Amino acid sequence: AQSVTQLDSHVSVSEGTPVLLRCNYSSSYSPSLFWYVQHPNKGLQLLLKYTSAATLVKGINGFEAEFKKSETSFHLTKPSAHMSDAAEYFCVVSGWGSASKIIFGSGTRLSIRP
Amino acid sequence: EAQVTQNPRYLITVTGKKLTVTCSQNMNHEYMSWYRQDPGLGLRQIYYSMNVEVTDKGDVPEGYKVSRKEKRNFPLILESPSPNQTSLYFCASSPTGGVVSTGELFFGEGSRLTVL
Repeated sequence: AQSVTQLDSHVSVSEGTPVLLRCNYSSSYSPSLFWYVQHPNKGLQLLLKYTSAATLVKGINGFEAEFKKSETSFHLTKPSAHMSDAAEYFCVVSGWGSASKIIFGSGTRLSIRP
Repeated sequence: EAQVTQNPRYLITVTGKKLTVTCSQNMNHEYMSWYRQDPGLGLRQIYYSMNVEVTDKGDVPEGYKVSRKEKRNFPLILESPSPNQTSLYFCASSPTGGVVSTGELFFGEGSRLTVL
């Protein structure tokens, strides 16, 4: 069985400071992991994905995430927040060869203070 | 432009009045799926389709129907809507239906449905 837990429902940081959005997963086999971003009144857009290659994954807009199997984590980070980063972020896990088993986390709303 | 198009974007209806939310993609994707998004619950899968004439239930299929007669279209049908189906609905598609780990989901912009 697979599951994904986003540890924070809301994160607020100041512009120019680092961002950390936390995600833990559970999977009985090697998972694929994704982060998606949803800006207000928009659909979801892929930020980055992990598919068993390099454990440190770089995405768009300066975001990156590190797959840590020992900690079953896939946290999303960015060194310096920008006002345009304010959005909802979703961590997603899927099983190899199983398009049906795509599990979304409950989301983390990121707010950026000027 | 490659896109997933949903219609309508906003709809207010009454209990029991059948409605259809259309979804169309122009990327020749095999895989399509419907999700509903509710506060604090993330996105939950309603139905998905691996290819034409192949559909299957997701996690919350009750009260919904789908069909996949053509590759590009995947309408969501609410035969008798109820207030607990008030939600934000997303259609998504992917080129890799069987090996989703190498692909990504492309989302429509959402359809906000209110059932009174």
